[in-house]
Amino acid sequence: NAGVMQNPRHLVRRRGQEARLRCSPMKGHSHVYWYRQLPEEGLKFMVYLQKENIIDESGMPKERFSAEFPKEGPSILRIQQVVRGDSAAYFCASSPPGTVNTEAFFGQGTRLTVV
Amino acid sequence: QKEVEQDPGPLSVPEGAIVSLNCTYSNSAFQYFMWYRQYSRKGPELLMYTYSSGNKEDGRFTAQVDKSSKYISLFIRDSQPSDSATYLCASLPSSNTGKLIFGQGTTLQVKP
Repeated sequence: NAGVMQNPRHLVRRRGQEARLRCSPMKGHSHVYWYRQLPEEGLKFMVYLQKENIIDESGMPKERFSAEFPKEGPSILRIQQVVRGDSAAYFCASSPPGTVNTEAFFGQGTRLTVV
Repeated sequence: QKEVEQDPGPLSVPEGAIVSLNCTYSNSAFQYFMWYRQYSRKGPELLMYTYSSGNKEDGRFTAQVDKSSKYISLFIRDSQPSDSATYLCASLPSSNTGKLIFGQGTTLQVKP
């Protein structure tokens, strides 16, 4: 049973470009969460999704950031017009139905560098 | 004030020592408490979680929650060099929210 798969592992974007981060949850998992980890800081919650629904996006910046978890395919975190301050490690986690975050498994992360 | 506070360390101990890692939290609504281990440039790995107050033991690891003082602890017995990592505590207000609140993480180094 493969774990949570994130790709790419490393992503370099120039200021103003778009970044697309992908997350495939573990098999059978229907809850997906995105977190951001800035250097020397802990993980900060961004968004919680179930299939085709955004459940909680209270941690998402109001502009330039969006997330989706379609019926088919991976969850996508999209950052438009990236700025240097977006450079961070972005982690995706997933959990089975009925357990919410108490049994969330994390992926290896995507390290975004904006140059 | 951060909702979950954790001393970032670094904490350095000799192999075989008992390690005590601690967090405090401010929101009395928190019910679930987790400990994650994160190796350098890897994703966090869930070690254990507890609900409300009390102790939970798993091998060399013991998690302890004292809700009266809003204090969370993780003890590692017979520490090994392979335990060298960053340890993150986290809290959940309830079971129907997806929003884990993390501490900053404590970096632990176990020297052979």
